[in-house]
Amino acid sequence: GAVVSQHPSRVICKSGTSVKIECRSLDFQATTMFWYRQFPKQSLMLMATSNEGSKATYEQGVEKDKFLINHASLTLSTLTVTSAHPEDSSFYICSAQNAWGDTGELFFGEGSRLTVL
Amino acid sequence: GENVEQHPSTLSVQEGDSAVIKCTYSDSASNYFPWYKQELGKRPQLIIDIRSNVGEKKDQRIAVTLNKTAKHFSLHITETQPEDSAVYFCAASYSGAGSYQLTFGKGTKLSVIP
Repeated sequence: GAVVSQHPSRVICKSGTSVKIECRSLDFQATTMFWYRQFPKQSLMLMATSNEGSKATYEQGVEKDKFLINHASLTLSTLTVTSAHPEDSSFYICSAQNAWGDTGELFFGEGSRLTVL
Repeated sequence: GENVEQHPSTLSVQEGDSAVIKCTYSDSASNYFPWYKQELGKRPQLIIDIRSNVGEKKDQRIAVTLNKTAKHFSLHITETQPEDSAVYFCAASYSGAGSYQLTFGKGTKLSVIP
């Protein structure tokens, strides 16, 4: 099946710094990528929908200036957590939709565990 | 927007028994219903999905049923094995303009006891 690679898998940073997470579709083009946040033992909460070449659409309650999303190409979307604080510590997962497929299937990245000290 | 309710939140079964997880959705426009299995710290993996023009779909030990009228769908796992232990998420989405935005249920932690 299609492969989505997410990097880094784990990152530890100091409070106040910014962290960038990359999501790449390796063998298909993705016009749409989604970013989720997952707290321990909880479900995936959609943060934003990222469309190639346009601004991301953020879900209610998600600060767009805090979580910067860039989808500059059909194979790469990035999530930057700016001025990170301990409460931003979480598991972040991206998913990508095949631009040329109409199955609706989403392919998930491996996830990135962010720990803010 | 769409709201997906999933039950139960935890489920323990003996190896070899069947497991059933149920979900309801609120938006009658939703037309795609995938189920994901997620092991601890790993990415969700699609295990089966169903579209609104189908009432049931089966893949070996896994089956999904959909009742559009009642707006609920269920995952059935037969002959459970210890490796089936994981968290299972249902989701619902509407394919509008080619974009499938999923709304997830809260998940069910399935434990299969050897």
